[in-house]
Amino acid sequence: AQSVTQPDIHITVSEGASLELRCNYSYGATPYLFWYVQSPGQGLQLLLKYFSGDTLVQGIKGFEAEFKRSQSSFNLRKPSVHWSDAAEYFCAVGGDTGRRALTFGSGTRLQVQP
Amino acid sequence: DGGITQSPKYLFRKEGQNVTLSCEQNLNHDAMYWYRQDPGQGLRLIYYSQIVNDFQKGDIAEGYSVSREKKESFPLTVTSAQKNPTAFYLCASRNTGQFNSNQPQHFGDGTRLSIL
Repeated sequence: AQSVTQPDIHITVSEGASLELRCNYSYGATPYLFWYVQSPGQGLQLLLKYFSGDTLVQGIKGFEAEFKRSQSSFNLRKPSVHWSDAAEYFCAVGGDTGRRALTFGSGTRLQVQP
Repeated sequence: DGGITQSPKYLFRKEGQNVTLSCEQNLNHDAMYWYRQDPGQGLRLIYYSQIVNDFQKGDIAEGYSVSREKKESFPLTVTSAQKNPTAFYLCASRNTGQFNSNQPQHFGDGTRLSIL
């Protein structure tokens, strides 16, 4: 069975500082990996995705993520955080050939200090 | 603009009552999904549908029912058998088919259900 672990429930960073959100997955084959962002009371917006190829993927809003197979990780990074980045971030893994639904981590809430 | 519309945004249920959450998409996506979101637990799959007139149970289907009579619509009914229905419900869809096996899911803005 596939699973996702986001070890940090809550992270606080200062505006302009760099950010790294951790994600570890468990999946038997090559996974499809996603990062989504959710603002309060809203749906989820796709930030970026990894299917194959280059292990460093670029997304929207200046985010990037690196797939490391040896560490079963797909960490999200941003070099300089903006106050508008405050939100909840979800890592997800897919690839279950039966249903193609996603398995989500429990999320990391990002707070940005001025 | 194409997208997924969930309604209502807020919904209240009385004890013993069934309520239905609407999900409509105009993205021409074949597959649709319902997730439940509770604080600190991420999203959990309730039901999914790969094509019209077919749907499958997800991980937490008990107390819920769905239908898929049209490609655009995938309503979710929260029945009185669901004893803890208070949550945020998210509908999603994705493109499928021979050349779309890796497409991501697109989400609606959710419905918040509470018990009166």
